[in-house]
Amino acid sequence: NAGVMQNPRHLVRRRGQEARLRCSPMKGHSHVYWYRQLPEEGLKFMVYLQKENIIDESGMPKERFSAEFPKEGPSILRIQQVVRGDSAAYFCASSPGQSHGYTFGSGTRLTVV
Amino acid sequence: AQSVTQLDSQVPVFEEAPVELRCNYSSSVSVYLFWYVQYPNQGLQLLLKYLSGSTLVKGINGFEAEFNKSQTSFHLRKPSVHISDTAEYFCAVSENNAGNMLTFGGGTRLMVKP
Repeated sequence: NAGVMQNPRHLVRRRGQEARLRCSPMKGHSHVYWYRQLPEEGLKFMVYLQKENIIDESGMPKERFSAEFPKEGPSILRIQQVVRGDSAAYFCASSPGQSHGYTFGSGTRLTVV
Repeated sequence: AQSVTQLDSQVPVFEEAPVELRCNYSSSVSVYLFWYVQYPNQGLQLLLKYLSGSTLVKGINGFEAEFNKSQTSFHLRKPSVHISDTAEYFCAVSENNAGNMLTFGGGTRLMVKP
């Protein structure tokens, strides 16, 4: 039973490019969460999705960031026109429901150069 | 809105000594509480969680935490640490009417010295 799978583990983008981060939840989990961890800081909530629906995006920046969790396939966090300040570790987590205490993936470390 | 404060950014301790990592939270409603551990360049692993019931919660790797509602605290303890416990530890809170969103503290770096 594979855990939460995130890819790529490391992603380097030049300023202005697009970054696409993928997250495959654990088998049987229909709830996905994205968090961002800036250097030397804790994790900050970004967005909560269920299949085909965004439930809570209160932590998402208003521009350039979007997320989806389609009926088939992984959840995608998309960052358009990346800037240096987007450099961070992005973690995905999943749960089977509102069970409190979900499973995290190993993260994608985005570096914008 | 909920918030979490981890009072110590770094805690150095010698191997086999006891350790306590402090966590205080603020919330206007009932909460669920969690401790996660993060090893370098890895994701977060759940150590333990308090949802209801006994206020003393036992987790993996010999860690335990006690929920104190009057002091709004959820301190993490281990009676004897190992070198392998060196990691970043995060306290997190979820309000029971806020879906499943977690609010994290800033983290405490536990450094176990031989």
